[in-house]
Amino acid sequence: DAGVIQSPRHEVTEMGQEVTLRCKPISGHDYLFWYRQTMMRGLELLIYFNNNVPIDDSGMPEDRFSAKMPNASFSTLKIQPSEPRDSAVYFCASRAIDDSPLHFGNGTRLTVT
Amino acid sequence: GEDVEQSLFLSVREGDSSVINCTYTDSSSTYLYWYKQEPGAGLQLLTYIFSNMDMKQDQRLTVLLNKKDKHLSLRIADTQTGDSAIYFCAEITGTASKLTFGTGTRLQVTL
Repeated sequence: DAGVIQSPRHEVTEMGQEVTLRCKPISGHDYLFWYRQTMMRGLELLIYFNNNVPIDDSGMPEDRFSAKMPNASFSTLKIQPSEPRDSAVYFCASRAIDDSPLHFGNGTRLTVT
Repeated sequence: GEDVEQSLFLSVREGDSSVINCTYTDSSSTYLYWYKQEPGAGLQLLTYIFSNMDMKQDQRLTVLLNKKDKHLSLRIADTQTGDSAIYFCAEITGTASKLTFGTGTRLQVTL
C-alpha cells in the first residue's frame, strides 16, 4: 500500500497566483480530509469528504479556498488568489470508515511570497 | 468547545521514561489517538485506545485513559533519540466524525 500521496512536496509561488495541491487517498478509503498546519494555529481541519461528497467545509478560511473530489482516488485543494498568510504545510488524510484512524500524506509545504 | 490541550515541550534523557499528557473535551469520543510527527513528515499513527478501556500497552508504549477527568497519557519506556518528535493526541468530536488534534508536545531526548 503506497499510503496517501500528495503533490507537490514543496510549492513556492508569488502572491496573487493560483495554487493547486493534489492528493491521492489510500484505495478503498471512503473519507478524505484536508488539514493545514502552522506554528500559530497548529493543525486545522479545512474540509472533509465522504464518498467524494463534501461534508463539512466550515474550516475553509474564505472564498479563495476551494476543494474538489471528482472521484474516489483524487482530490484537489485550490487557492486563488494566494496570499502570504496562506503559507503553511497542507496535509491530506484518508480513512476507511467512521472511527478508524486517519492516515496522513507527507504534506505540501506552501510558501507564498 | 473542542479544545484538546497538551503541554508544549518535554525533555528527557535517553533511557528514561517519557510521559506525555493530554486533556480532551468530548466525553462522547469513541476513540482517542496518539500521532507522531517527525521533521518534514506527516503524522504517523502510533497507537489508539477505545473509550471503554483504561489502558493499552504496545511494546514500549502505554496509553492510559481517565474518562472521568478526560485525561489521556502516553508513556514511552526506555526513550531513544529516535523518539524525538512532536506527539499529538486527537479525539473524534461530535457526530461529524472529525478528528480534533491537540497542540502537540515536542519531545526532546538528550544523551
